[in-house]
Amino acid sequence: GAVVSQHPSRVICKSGTSVKIECRSLDFQATTMFWYRQFPKQSLMLMATSNEGSKATYEQGVEKDKFLINHASLTLSTLTVTSAHPEDSSFYICSANPGTESSYEQYFGPGTRLTVT
Amino acid sequence: AQSVTQLGSHVSVSEGALVLLRCNYSSSVPPYLFWYVQYPNQGLQLLLKYTSAATLVKGINGFEAEFKKSETSFHLTKPSAHMSDAAEYFCAVFGNQFYFGTGTSLTVIP
Repeated sequence: GAVVSQHPSRVICKSGTSVKIECRSLDFQATTMFWYRQFPKQSLMLMATSNEGSKATYEQGVEKDKFLINHASLTLSTLTVTSAHPEDSSFYICSANPGTESSYEQYFGPGTRLTVT
Repeated sequence: AQSVTQLGSHVSVSEGALVLLRCNYSSSVPPYLFWYVQYPNQGLQLLLKYTSAATLVKGINGFEAEFKKSETSFHLTKPSAHMSDAAEYFCAVFGNQFYFGTGTSLTVIP
């Protein structure tokens, strides 16, 4: 089946530093990848949609300069949290859509727990 | 616009008892509806989905859900709860993106 990985699974960083999270589709090419944020005990909120080779589309209220998304290849998208602050601590989940399937066919990664101290 | 409402943020059932997790949706178009399960510190795993075919949808691990247009509902059921079913469950509707409910935490009591 379609597998999506994320690296790292957990990361702790100091306030003011930047951290990069990778999302990879392991056995398929993903023309579109999605980044979600999940606060403790809450639902997932879509942050942005990234298409390979083009700029990401951010949801309203998401700072594009703070959450840099790069989708440089058909199997890799990265989310960089710049100048992280404690309020950025969250669980970040990516999903990927093979361009050959309906847009609702998204395969989710295992998530990355970010803690900013 | 699309949205889902999950009634009950916490549900507890005894092992072997019926599991019923409620989800109501709002959609201006025929909906695509999903149930996902999330174990602690893990991503989402698809349990089942409704994409305008059969209204009774069977998923993995013995779960099923019935799409009821008249009630705008898509409740998730399992006849007999197992300890391994303890997790967070999310209902979602897909329009041009996923809209997730706030989740229901299922506890299974031995």
